[in-house]
Amino acid sequence: QQQVKQSPQSLIVQKGGISIINCAYENTAFDYFPWYQQFPGKGPALLIAIRPDVSEKKEGRFTISFNKSAKQFSLHIMDSQPGDSATYFCAAILVGNQFYFGTGTSLTVIP
Amino acid sequence: DGGITQSPKYLFRKEGQNVTLSCEQNLNHDAMYWYRQDPGQGLRLIYYSQIVNDFQKGDIAEGYSVSREKKESFPLTVTSAQKNPTAFYLCASRQGSPYSNQPQHFGDGTRLSIL
Repeated sequence: QQQVKQSPQSLIVQKGGISIINCAYENTAFDYFPWYQQFPGKGPALLIAIRPDVSEKKEGRFTISFNKSAKQFSLHIMDSQPGDSATYFCAAILVGNQFYFGTGTSLTVIP
Repeated sequence: DGGITQSPKYLFRKEGQNVTLSCEQNLNHDAMYWYRQDPGQGLRLIYYSQIVNDFQKGDIAEGYSVSREKKESFPLTVTSAQKNPTAFYLCASRQGSPYSNQPQHFGDGTRLSIL
């Protein structure tokens, strides 16, 4: 059973556009939600993370929006660039060392 | 530079052979993890270790074994019992106690294929 559901599986965006990736979860005990960026042949790298007591967190062109009541969170990439083309994973962490990852979204930004 | 080093980058296994993937970290992290990544399936946890000489099975531990004799090292052995070993293997580590919300840091992976 997938603890964290991620969509879409793939996304194509024009340069300068907004990329939006969504994740949903069921377990209300999750208390930390990181996003990872992975380039081909590399390991995932932490991009940005949010706690459930915050509705939005912004770092540069990357923003996490968090809707606790809907049990959903999303990553927004503003002014998307070809260099942002990568696979993005959302994750949810349970206190007690349990990590759950989404299935990933392959983002392609076309010039 | 602190980080996680996985080796080799590419590895080929013959039928009936055991192979060992190396993972070393100099971040002084307590917890270490092994994941398997297959296309369209995200990351699946194989084993994890919170302290030296202790480790726990993850969701897909069958056909794999690990050891944690040193804090810096967490090697993964893919045994001949693992019938479908072709995948990208990722090692990760994390600071803090089990009850702190710290993200994981990943190595650059080992791609294992069957000859």
